Amino acid sequence: NAGVMQNPRHLVRRRGQEARLRCSPMKGHSHVYWYRQLPEEGLKFMVYLQKENIIDESGMPKERFSAEFPKEGPSILRIQQVVRGDSAAYFCASSPYRGTDTQYFGPGTRLTVL
Amino acid sequence: KNEVEQSPQNLTAQEGEFITINCSYSVGISALHWLQQHPGGGIVSLFMLSSGKKKHGRLIATINIQEKHSSLHITASHPRDSAVYICAAWLVGTDKLIFGTGTRLQVFP
Repeated sequence: NAGVMQNPRHLVRRRGQEARLRCSPMKGHSHVYWYRQLPEEGLKFMVYLQKENIIDESGMPKERFSAEFPKEGPSILRIQQVVRGDSAAYFCASSPYRGTDTQYFGPGTRLTVL
Repeated sequence: KNEVEQSPQNLTAQEGEFITINCSYSVGISALHWLQQHPGGGIVSLFMLSSGKKKHGRLIATINIQEKHSSLHITASHPRDSAVYICAAWLVGTDKLIFGTGTRLQVFP
């Protein structure tokens, strides 16, 4: 059973470009969480999705950031018009059930904005 | 003040030493995770606990709900235990984890 997969592992963008980060949850997991880790800071919750639904996006910046988890395919975290402050490691995690449960983390995508 | 606080921030030890990392929280939680982040960045869930104590190999995690405190212990530490250890609290009534800032552990041979 493959673990949580994220791609790309490293992404370089220039200011103003779009960044698309993909997360494929573990087989059988329908709950996906995205987290951001800024340099020298702790992890911060961004958004929680189930298939085709955003359940909690209270940690997402109001502008430029969006997330989806379609019926088929990976979850996507999209950042439009990136700025240098978006440079961070973005982790997704998945779990089989909603609520308090062990989460399985992907290896992360390291975004660098030039 | 962060809702989840860890101490110490940095910890060095000699191989074989007993290690304790502490986590205190100020919010209502339904459970607490202990995570390990390797130097390469990958994150592994070590424990999830809502009461009492759990043990896995040389790792032991305890939680005291009344005192809002959890500890992670490593017995007979080894250089391969060098990593950042993070506690994360499930905020009660939500689907959200709140993370401590992590404890960077270095174990020297």
